Amino acid sequence: ETGVTQTPRHLVMGMTNKKSLKCEQHLGHNAMYWYKQSAKKPLELMFVYNFKEQTENNSVPSRFSPECPNSSHLFLHLHTLQPEDSALYLCASSHGGRKGQPQHFGDGTRLSIL
Amino acid sequence: GENVEQHPSTLSVQEGDSAVIKCTYSDSASNYFPWYKQELGKRPQLIIDIRSNVGEKKDQRIAVTLNKTAKHFSLHITETQPEDSAVYFCASSGDSNYQLIWGAGTKLIIKP
Repeated sequence: ETGVTQTPRHLVMGMTNKKSLKCEQHLGHNAMYWYKQSAKKPLELMFVYNFKEQTENNSVPSRFSPECPNSSHLFLHLHTLQPEDSALYLCASSHGGRKGQPQHFGDGTRLSIL
Repeated sequence: GENVEQHPSTLSVQEGDSAVIKCTYSDSASNYFPWYKQELGKRPQLIIDIRSNVGEKKDQRIAVTLNKTAKHFSLHITETQPEDSAVYFCASSGDSNYQLIWGAGTKLIIKP
């Protein structure tokens, strides 16, 4: 049983569609993260939120738009994606306010762009 | 910028033998070093971590060693079993931010 839940698990969308990925954590953490994991590539950090404030945006294209309404929920809004955006999108959380903490991952959303 | 190099990218060992995966970090201020295991189709899971005030940490068949002078840390798995087959990621972080800096991953294959 994971403390970080991601929905949907799989998503197929066309390049003109708009969709959102959802992440929810039940661990009492205050920092949340979005990662992109492509085949045969390392984990790519996309966004970091700490106490609902965005603290990192690693040069992610504007077609990806994060939203963090509270410390337990994180969304990734998708619009006009490209085929190279097909990947596994992982959400993670950790204790906010304390550096050097382990991150706990969700099962990810497998995204396929047609 | 900060980076973590991980070697080898693929490691194949006979069941029962030991496996060692090595990482080198660039930021001398790094003080936290976790290791994650990701089985095929599953999420990365923390298996062991070490902080800079400790040189070695063990948990059953796995151990992590840290050499701060050389800025190296390694994962050691003894008596490997088929269920150890997975991709292993090292990471580091320091006091400057909340990010983990990730290695590229090592695919460990356990041969029966």
